[in-house]
Amino acid sequence: DAKTTQPPSMDCAEGRAANLPCNHSTISGNEYVYWYRQIHSQGPQYIIHGLKNNETNEMASLIITEDRKSSTLILPHATLRDTAVYYCIVRPRAANAGGTSYGKLTFGQGTILTVHP
Amino acid sequence: NAGVTQTPKFQVLKTGQSMTLQCAQDMNHNSMYWYRQDPGMGLRLIYYSASEGTTDKGEVPNGYNVSRLNKREFSLRLESAAPSQTSVYFCASSGLGSGATNYGYTFGSGTRLTVV
Repeated sequence: DAKTTQPPSMDCAEGRAANLPCNHSTISGNEYVYWYRQIHSQGPQYIIHGLKNNETNEMASLIITEDRKSSTLILPHATLRDTAVYYCIVRPRAANAGGTSYGKLTFGQGTILTVHP
Repeated sequence: NAGVTQTPKFQVLKTGQSMTLQCAQDMNHNSMYWYRQDPGMGLRLIYYSASEGTTDKGEVPNGYNVSRLNKREFSLRLESAAPSQTSVYFCASSGLGSGATNYGYTFGSGTRLTVV
Protein backbone atom coordinates (compact mmCIF):
# COMPACT_ATOMS: atom_id res chain seq x y z
CA ASP A 1 0.00 0.00 0.00
CA ALA A 2 1.17 3.53 -0.71
CA LYS A 3 2.44 5.51 2.27
CA THR A 4 1.25 9.00 3.10
CA THR A 5 3.02 11.97 4.63
CA GLN A 6 1.16 14.61 6.63
CA PRO A 7 2.34 17.51 8.79
CA PRO A 8 2.12 16.54 12.45
CA SER A 9 0.08 19.58 13.46
CA MET A 10 -1.72 22.62 12.08
CA ASP A 11 -3.66 25.54 13.50
CA CYS A 12 -6.66 27.34 12.08
CA ALA A 13 -8.82 30.25 13.20
CA GLU A 14 -12.49 29.57 13.72
CA GLY A 15 -14.54 30.50 10.66
CA ARG A 16 -11.59 30.29 8.30
CA ALA A 17 -10.85 27.51 5.84
CA ALA A 18 -8.61 24.71 7.04
CA ASN A 19 -6.42 23.21 4.31
CA LEU A 20 -4.80 19.93 5.30
CA PRO A 21 -2.15 18.61 2.89
CA CYS A 22 -1.18 15.01 2.24
CA ASN A 23 1.60 13.61 0.13
CA HIS A 24 1.15 10.17 -1.44
CA SER A 25 3.78 10.16 -4.16
CA THR A 26 3.84 6.36 -4.53
CA ILE A 27 0.10 5.96 -5.04
CA SER A 28 -0.89 3.45 -7.70
CA GLY A 29 -3.67 3.61 -10.23
CA ASN A 30 -6.19 1.52 -8.29
CA GLU A 31 -5.72 3.27 -4.96
CA TYR A 32 -8.21 5.73 -3.56
CA VAL A 33 -7.45 8.61 -1.21
CA TYR A 34 -9.52 8.55 1.96
CA TRP A 35 -9.75 11.05 4.78
CA TYR A 36 -10.86 10.26 8.29
CA ARG A 37 -10.80 12.23 11.49
CA GLN A 38 -10.75 11.23 15.11
CA ILE A 39 -12.13 13.53 17.73
CA HIS A 40 -10.67 12.90 21.15
CA SER A 41 -11.37 9.37 22.44
CA GLN A 42 -13.95 8.61 19.76
CA GLY A 43 -13.79 6.16 16.87
CA PRO A 44 -12.51 7.56 13.57
CA GLN A 45 -15.12 9.18 11.36
CA TYR A 46 -15.20 8.96 7.59
CA ILE A 47 -14.97 12.36 5.87
CA ILE A 48 -14.52 11.92 2.14
CA HIS A 49 -12.71 9.89 -0.48
CA GLY A 50 -11.70 10.22 -4.13
CA LEU A 51 -9.81 8.60 -6.95
CA LYS A 52 -8.70 11.39 -9.28
CA ASN A 53 -11.48 13.95 -9.51
CA ASN A 54 -12.11 16.60 -6.90
CA GLU A 55 -14.89 15.69 -4.52
CA THR A 56 -17.19 17.66 -2.25
CA ASN A 57 -19.72 16.64 0.34
CA GLU A 58 -21.45 18.28 3.27
CA MET A 59 -18.36 17.97 5.45
CA ALA A 60 -15.43 18.88 3.23
CA SER A 61 -13.82 19.13 -0.18
CA LEU A 62 -11.02 16.96 -1.48
CA ILE A 63 -8.62 18.32 -4.06
CA ILE A 64 -6.37 15.75 -5.76
CA THR A 65 -3.53 16.93 -7.96
CA GLU A 66 -3.52 15.85 -11.59
CA ASP A 67 -0.58 13.49 -11.05
CA ARG A 68 -2.37 12.11 -7.93
CA LYS A 69 0.78 12.43 -5.86
CA SER A 70 -0.77 14.76 -3.32
CA SER A 71 -4.13 15.94 -2.08
CA THR A 72 -5.65 18.60 0.16
CA LEU A 73 -8.62 18.27 2.46
CA ILE A 74 -10.50 21.53 2.82
CA LEU A 75 -12.84 22.33 5.69
CA PRO A 76 -14.42 25.52 4.32
CA HIS A 77 -15.49 27.13 7.60
CA ALA A 78 -13.70 25.48 10.49
CA THR A 79 -15.41 25.38 13.89
CA LEU A 80 -14.08 24.48 17.31
CA ARG A 81 -15.71 21.07 16.92
CA ASP A 82 -13.43 20.36 13.96
CA THR A 83 -10.45 20.10 16.32
CA ALA A 84 -9.31 16.51 15.78
CA VAL A 85 -6.63 14.27 14.32
CA TYR A 86 -7.04 14.01 10.54
CA TYR A 87 -5.82 10.91 8.75
CA CYS A 88 -5.05 10.72 5.05
CA ILE A 89 -5.05 7.11 3.84
CA VAL A 90 -4.61 5.46 0.48
CA ARG A 91 -6.56 2.29 0.04
CA PRO A 92 -6.60 -0.20 -2.83
CA ARG A 93 -9.77 -1.38 -4.40
CA ALA A 94 -9.72 -5.15 -4.73
CA ALA A 95 -12.17 -7.62 -6.18
CA ASN A 96 -13.08 -10.73 -4.29
CA ALA A 97 -15.27 -13.75 -4.89
CA GLY A 98 -18.24 -12.08 -3.25
CA GLY A 99 -18.10 -8.97 -5.39
CA THR A 100 -16.13 -5.79 -5.07
CA SER A 101 -14.48 -5.05 -1.77
CA TYR A 102 -12.00 -2.47 -0.69
CA GLY A 103 -8.61 -3.01 0.84
CA LYS A 104 -8.00 -2.52 4.52
CA LEU A 105 -7.11 0.89 5.93
CA THR A 106 -3.66 1.54 7.34
CA PHE A 107 -3.52 4.55 9.64
CA GLY A 108 -0.46 6.76 10.00
CA GLN A 109 0.11 9.43 12.63
CA GLY A 110 -2.19 11.99 11.01
CA THR A 111 -2.34 15.76 11.46
CA ILE A 112 -3.54 17.27 14.70
CA LEU A 113 -5.74 20.20 13.66
CA THR A 114 -6.44 22.75 16.37
CA VAL A 115 -9.12 25.33 15.65
CA HIS A 116 -8.75 28.50 17.73
CA PRO A 117 -11.54 30.93 18.71
CA ASN B 1 -29.34 4.25 14.62
CA ALA B 2 -27.46 1.99 12.26
CA GLY B 3 -23.82 1.46 13.03
CA VAL B 4 -21.23 -0.58 14.86
CA THR B 5 -21.85 -1.57 18.47
CA GLN B 6 -19.03 -2.63 20.77
CA THR B 7 -19.31 -4.16 24.21
CA PRO B 8 -18.12 -3.61 26.84
CA LYS B 9 -17.13 0.06 26.77
CA PHE B 10 -14.69 -0.29 29.67
CA GLN B 11 -12.92 -3.29 31.19
CA VAL B 12 -10.19 -3.88 33.73
CA LEU B 13 -8.46 -7.26 33.69
CA LYS B 14 -5.78 -8.84 35.79
CA THR B 15 -2.75 -10.25 34.03
CA GLY B 16 -3.50 -13.74 32.77
CA GLN B 17 -7.27 -13.34 32.66
CA SER B 18 -9.18 -13.89 29.44
CA MET B 19 -12.00 -11.99 27.87
CA THR B 20 -13.89 -11.50 24.63
CA LEU B 21 -14.67 -8.13 23.09
CA GLN B 22 -17.90 -8.16 21.14
CA CYS B 23 -18.69 -6.24 17.96
CA ALA B 24 -21.87 -6.19 15.87
CA GLN B 25 -22.88 -4.18 12.82
CA ASP B 26 -26.33 -3.77 11.28
CA MET B 27 -25.35 -2.32 7.90
CA ASN B 28 -25.03 -5.65 6.10
CA HIS B 29 -21.35 -4.95 5.53
CA ASN B 30 -19.14 -7.74 4.24
CA SER B 31 -15.90 -6.80 5.99
CA MET B 32 -15.08 -6.26 9.64
CA TYR B 33 -11.91 -5.20 11.44
CA TRP B 34 -10.34 -4.94 14.87
CA TYR B 35 -7.86 -2.16 15.62
CA ARG B 36 -6.03 -1.12 18.75
CA GLN B 37 -4.91 2.40 19.59
CA ASP B 38 -2.28 3.11 22.20
CA PRO B 39 -1.99 6.58 23.78
CA GLY B 40 -0.74 9.18 21.29
CA MET B 41 -0.54 6.62 18.51
CA GLY B 42 -2.43 5.86 15.34
CA LEU B 43 -4.63 2.82 14.93
CA ARG B 44 -3.02 -0.54 14.26
CA LEU B 45 -4.87 -3.42 12.63
CA ILE B 46 -5.07 -6.60 14.73
CA TYR B 47 -7.27 -8.89 12.63
CA TYR B 48 -9.79 -8.51 9.88
CA SER B 49 -12.48 -10.51 8.17
CA ALA B 50 -12.96 -9.68 4.51
CA SER B 51 -16.17 -11.69 4.37
CA GLU B 52 -18.19 -14.08 6.47
CA GLY B 53 -16.23 -17.25 7.09
CA THR B 54 -12.78 -15.74 6.59
CA THR B 55 -10.32 -14.08 8.96
CA ASP B 56 -6.78 -12.82 8.44
CA LYS B 57 -4.00 -11.39 10.54
CA GLY B 58 -3.26 -7.71 10.52
CA GLU B 59 -0.23 -5.81 11.72
CA VAL B 60 -0.29 -6.82 15.42
CA PRO B 61 -2.12 -10.18 15.83
CA ASN B 62 -0.01 -11.77 18.56
CA GLY B 63 -1.95 -12.47 21.76
CA TYR B 64 -5.35 -12.27 20.07
CA ASN B 65 -7.84 -14.55 18.37
CA VAL B 66 -10.96 -13.65 16.43
CA SER B 67 -14.22 -15.26 15.38
CA ARG B 68 -16.52 -14.11 12.60
CA LEU B 69 -19.65 -15.58 14.12
CA ASN B 70 -21.92 -14.52 11.28
CA LYS B 71 -22.14 -11.60 8.92
CA ARG B 72 -23.09 -9.22 11.72
CA GLU B 73 -20.71 -10.21 14.49
CA PHE B 74 -16.92 -10.25 14.83
CA SER B 75 -15.41 -10.95 18.25
CA LEU B 76 -11.87 -10.45 19.57
CA ARG B 77 -10.52 -12.71 22.30
CA LEU B 78 -7.61 -12.21 24.64
CA GLU B 79 -6.71 -15.64 26.00
CA SER B 80 -4.18 -14.48 28.60
CA ALA B 81 -4.17 -10.73 29.02
CA ALA B 82 -0.88 -8.87 29.45
CA PRO B 83 -0.23 -5.25 30.52
CA SER B 84 1.06 -4.57 26.98
CA GLN B 85 -2.50 -5.14 25.77
CA THR B 86 -3.76 -2.11 27.67
CA SER B 87 -5.26 -0.04 24.88
CA VAL B 88 -8.42 1.24 23.26
CA TYR B 89 -9.89 -1.30 20.89
CA PHE B 90 -11.97 -0.24 17.91
CA CYS B 91 -14.12 -2.42 15.72
CA ALA B 92 -15.05 -1.29 12.22
CA SER B 93 -17.01 -2.54 9.24
CA SER B 94 -17.00 -1.71 5.56
CA GLY B 95 -18.20 -2.84 2.19
CA LEU B 96 -21.26 -2.97 0.06
CA GLY B 97 -24.36 -3.08 2.16
CA SER B 98 -27.95 -2.07 1.79
CA GLY B 99 -28.14 1.65 1.17
CA ALA B 100 -24.38 2.13 1.32
CA THR B 101 -23.33 5.15 -0.68
CA ASN B 102 -19.80 5.42 0.56
CA TYR B 103 -17.30 2.67 0.95
CA GLY B 104 -15.46 3.92 3.94
CA TYR B 105 -15.26 2.31 7.31
CA THR B 106 -17.77 2.81 10.09
CA PHE B 107 -16.17 2.58 13.51
CA GLY B 108 -17.58 1.68 16.87
CA SER B 109 -17.07 3.88 19.91
CA GLY B 110 -14.31 1.70 21.33
CA THR B 111 -13.55 -0.53 24.30
CA ARG B 112 -11.10 0.87 26.83
CA LEU B 113 -9.16 -2.04 28.27
CA THR B 114 -6.74 -1.85 31.16
CA VAL B 115 -4.65 -4.88 32.16
CA VAL B 116 -3.09 -4.64 35.61
